[in-house]
Amino acid sequence: AQSVAQPEDQVNVAEGNPLTVKCTYSVSGNPYLFWYVQYPNRGLQFLLKYITGDNLVKGSYGFEAEFNKSQTSFHLKKPSALVSDSALYFCAVRDINRGYGQNFVFGPGTRLSVLP
Amino acid sequence: EPEVTQTPSHQVTQMGQEVILRCVPISNHLYFYWYRQILGQKVEFLVSFYNNEISEKSEIFDDQFSVERPDGSNFTLKIRSTKLEDSAMYFCASSLAGTSGSTQYFGPGTRLLVL
Repeated sequence: AQSVAQPEDQVNVAEGNPLTVKCTYSVSGNPYLFWYVQYPNRGLQFLLKYITGDNLVKGSYGFEAEFNKSQTSFHLKKPSALVSDSALYFCAVRDINRGYGQNFVFGPGTRLSVLP
Repeated sequence: EPEVTQTPSHQVTQMGQEVILRCVPISNHLYFYWYRQILGQKVEFLVSFYNNEISEKSEIFDDQFSVERPDGSNFTLKIRSTKLEDSAMYFCASSLAGTSGSTQYFGPGTRLLVL
């Protein structure tokens, strides 16, 4: 069975500092990994995904994430946090070996607060 | 930029009543999904839909739930007889393709409150 863990409920970081939001996953096959962000009263917005190739993927709003197969991790990073990055972040996984129309399995979410 | 829209944004209903949540997916997308998020909990998959058929559903999606694409633009989720535990935020999503690497684009959600 697929699962996603986000070990931190809350991450606080000062504006201008680097941020990391952690994600680890478990799938039976090879994973496709995604990060979404949820702002208050908004839906989930796609940030980036890892499918194949370079382990470091770059996405929207200056975010990037590094796929680490040996550690089964896909941590989200940004070199310099902005107050506007404060939101709820979800990691999600899909198993590459499953068929069409397959769903995501989401992590529980990590609330990021960037302090001015 | 095209986006998924959902109506209503909020819905309050009495237990046992039927509700229909509506979604307009991105126009050239072919795969459609419903997820829900109970307050304070993780986002959970309900159902995926392609070519006028359910392609996958979770254990949550029991006989009280149904989905339909009544016309070329709308995608609906119906709950026949709502229970208190159906109170949640319901998200619709769509994707161009159905492969595991396809990005799903989510709507803003409908907050359902069952009293």
